[in-house]
Amino acid sequence: LAKTTQPISMDSYEGQEVNITCSHNNIATNDYITWYQQFPSQGPRFIIQGYKTKVTNEVASLFIPADRKSSTLSLPRVSLSDTAVYYCLVARSNDYKLSFGAGTTVTVRA
Amino acid sequence: DTAVSQTPKYLVTQMGNDKSIKCEQNLGHDTMYWYKQDSKKFLKIMFSYNNKELIINETVPNRFSPKSPDKAHLNLHINSLELGDSAVYFCASSPVTGGANTEAFFGQGTRLTVV
Repeated sequence: LAKTTQPISMDSYEGQEVNITCSHNNIATNDYITWYQQFPSQGPRFIIQGYKTKVTNEVASLFIPADRKSSTLSLPRVSLSDTAVYYCLVARSNDYKLSFGAGTTVTVRA
Repeated sequence: DTAVSQTPKYLVTQMGNDKSIKCEQNLGHDTMYWYKQDSKKFLKIMFSYNNKELIINETVPNRFSPKSPDKAHLNLHINSLELGDSAVYFCASSPVTGGANTEAFFGQGTRLTVV
């Protein structure tokens, strides 16, 4: 499995855009990139998944460059309720394992 | 309707006891997991089951024994509890594993405290 590296923490203010970059230098052809969000005292929640280029949903955007060795999760106009830990995962078909790294703690301040 | 439900939510017990945590998913998923999250917030996979069959056992001590009576249930039994077992245990399920469509749904967690 490709190992992932993310910043340990990031601070932001309400209304700003938050970009979290994840490095996965050893990503394989069959691997997909997935991001999860975890609030205190809750289980992780799926945010977005992509293979290449850009994916956007109602919560976030995911940017993946052509070499796929990194990816950036973009949270537009964050609010206090976006304070959470964000995990970047790399997984492939029939792997039966979703491996979580240390995650990035994002703190949004008023 | 809760998609993935775990019981109990909190569990406080003494060292040496045996305890079980139950998990049920109503999403019709084939794959279920148990994760352990320690005080440093690292989420580590313990077990993965696919259609009631054990697929992944991540070097978890023998004191931990998962049981999947059917596709919708994955229970975790822990024997001879130790202080180091204190953590939050999460159950999860997903339709397929890895690759595309790896959206896993997690339960709310069971906070186990061993005293």
